Amino acid sequence: DTGVSQNPRHKITKRGQNVTFRCDPISEHNRLYWYRQTLGQGPEFLTYFQNEAQLEKSRLLSDRFSAERPKGSFSTLEIQRTEQGDSAMYLCASSSGTENTIYFGEGSWLTVV
Amino acid sequence: QKEVEQDPGPLSVPEGAIVSLNCTYSNSAFQYFMWYRQYSRKGPELLMYTYSSGNKEDGRFTAQVDKSSKYISLFIRDSQPSDSATYLCATRYTDKLIFGTGTRLQVFP
Repeated sequence: DTGVSQNPRHKITKRGQNVTFRCDPISEHNRLYWYRQTLGQGPEFLTYFQNEAQLEKSRLLSDRFSAERPKGSFSTLEIQRTEQGDSAMYLCASSSGTENTIYFGEGSWLTVV
Repeated sequence: QKEVEQDPGPLSVPEGAIVSLNCTYSNSAFQYFMWYRQYSRKGPELLMYTYSSGNKEDGRFTAQVDKSSKYISLFIRDSQPSDSATYLCATRYTDKLIFGTGTRLQVFP
């Protein structure tokens, strides 16, 4: 499988707990994106990396959210002290620097109870 | 005003119909436009990608951009029940995608 891979696909957590999602981009894609999608809405941009550098963060990304991409390969998105409003699908996407197309993974569903 | 506007539907059509899905956008600087298809509880799948104005065809799908009116369209010919999904329009700007809300399409047999 050469697509964008995300784990876990589903996560149910209690309010106040920390959760971490992992994304493995398409190999040789140097750009990696995180988006959030709630029911009935389109995906909203959270942050993106070019190689290991985090180049932009949305105002949606509160200080409880942190994303990393060590060595410019896989990426993790951690949410600390989860709130019910964090319940959403977290999408990872990747692209090469030479193309304008961005490919998405299957998403990681988070439910905060 | 949202940067990309899309009617959320739902749009319900019989099998074999021609479907027209539309979006408007606000910023004339947008040049790259995409259509994604998203099945329930799945990630968006890239369908079509167009640059600037004009038409692009791929099988039963045609994407159209009219920059003068800031209007983008996706046409689906001979629609099939398997086309039932949410269709998201998006524009790529400053290295990120800006999406519409998505239009839910149902094609019934």
